[in-house]
Amino acid sequence: KAGVTQTPRYLIKTRGQQVTLSCSPISGHRSVSWYQQTPGQGLQFLFEYFSETQRNKGNFPGRFSGRQFSNSRSEMNVSTLELGDSALYLCASSLEGSDNSPLHFGNGTRLTVT
Amino acid sequence: AQTVTQSQPEMSVQEAETVTLSCTYDTSESDYYLFWYKQPPSRQMILVIRQEAYKQQNATENRFSVNFQKAAKSFSLKISDSQLGDAAMYFCAYRSAIQGAQKLVFGQGTRLTINP
Repeated sequence: KAGVTQTPRYLIKTRGQQVTLSCSPISGHRSVSWYQQTPGQGLQFLFEYFSETQRNKGNFPGRFSGRQFSNSRSEMNVSTLELGDSALYLCASSLEGSDNSPLHFGNGTRLTVT
Repeated sequence: AQTVTQSQPEMSVQEAETVTLSCTYDTSESDYYLFWYKQPPSRQMILVIRQEAYKQQNATENRFSVNFQKAAKSFSLKISDSQLGDAAMYFCAYRSAIQGAQKLVFGQGTRLTINP
């Protein structure tokens, strides 16, 4: 079974631009979560989607948004990029979003904002 | 809000020896899950071991085991017979047991180096 796939692996953007990152969960998984990883702030929860609905949201500005499609694939979008948005963005999927569903992570997308 | 603290930014151990990574957390909830994840240079977060708070027995997974002290809110990871492939960043994480609460709260991580 294929793991969580994130595309692209690397991305370079300039300030003010917007970016879209993609995540394909493990087949059958319905919950997709996104995390931002930076050296200064560590790993921070962005949001979680389950059955195309955002179920949980972290403390990030409205420039960060996401969505989930009927096939459970998810995208996250960052508009009006700032230098501080440079980070590794990790996606994780789980089966049902239930108590006993471990999260499986992808390899991440490394975003650099110049 | 829950917090997770890893007080050891870096640790090193000789190959084949045992090392313990520390983690403490703060929560007002009585039911939750605790995890240790490993992140090698490939960047993928890999689940090492998990512990349900309602279980008194410490979880074990081959060479990996935890010491879960619920009253002290402590959750340390012991790696026995350390191998070169164990070198990575290790993150302790907390998750509420509330249905549908998939949010993980991570510690700052401990970089583990294995010396041959």
